Amino acid sequence: DAGITQSPRHKVTETGTPVTLRCHQTENHRYMYWYRQDPGHGLRLIHYSYGVKDTDKGEVSDGYSVSRSKTEDFLLTLESATSSQTSVYFCAISTTSGGTDTQYFGPGTRLTVL
Amino acid sequence: EDQVTQSPEALRLQEGESSSLNCSYTVSGLRGLFWYRQDPGKGPEFLFTLYSAGEEKEKERLKATLTKKESFLHITAPKPEDSATYLCAVQRAGSYQLTFGKGTKLSVIP
Repeated sequence: DAGITQSPRHKVTETGTPVTLRCHQTENHRYMYWYRQDPGHGLRLIHYSYGVKDTDKGEVSDGYSVSRSKTEDFLLTLESATSSQTSVYFCAISTTSGGTDTQYFGPGTRLTVL
Repeated sequence: EDQVTQSPEALRLQEGESSSLNCSYTVSGLRGLFWYRQDPGKGPEFLFTLYSAGEEKEKERLKATLTKKESFLHITAPKPEDSATYLCAVQRAGSYQLTFGKGTKLSVIP
């Protein structure tokens, strides 16, 4: 299962409050990703990290920030949550073999913003 | 812009009834095409990576094939435990990002 855990697994919050989701990996992978999954959409990349303190934006980064102060943890922060950010959030890591990166996903966090 | 379209959106099969799922893609330089399985309430589970047209990979009752414009996931004699949503994604050359399709929800009826 690539040693990925996400916390919390479920969260309900109110509009305007800050929220931080945590992704933890145990296998020292360099690359980590945050996706959101919504009905009618495929998985969409929010942000990714290619090392400690090295991050970049994905397709749907507005309203989100990330931090990676150590290899094993990648944090996703919603500075001021909105109802449109109600979603299921997945963290992923990637491994490289044969010149291609394969991403493995965590169990997800279901976030509801009221 | 990379695009991935999966069809059908949903597929209902009788146990033992073989079929195929389609993934059509547009990408500037394919680095890899990925198939995942996702069960309700869980994260996507990696199945296959295909790199170039003509390549095929198999795992139990599943076989994935790739052409220059699409990939097929063939399911032979499916069982109820094959019921899941199957996701297709592409990775462009020089990028670490994946572009996903919306998935095909497969239901296998006993």
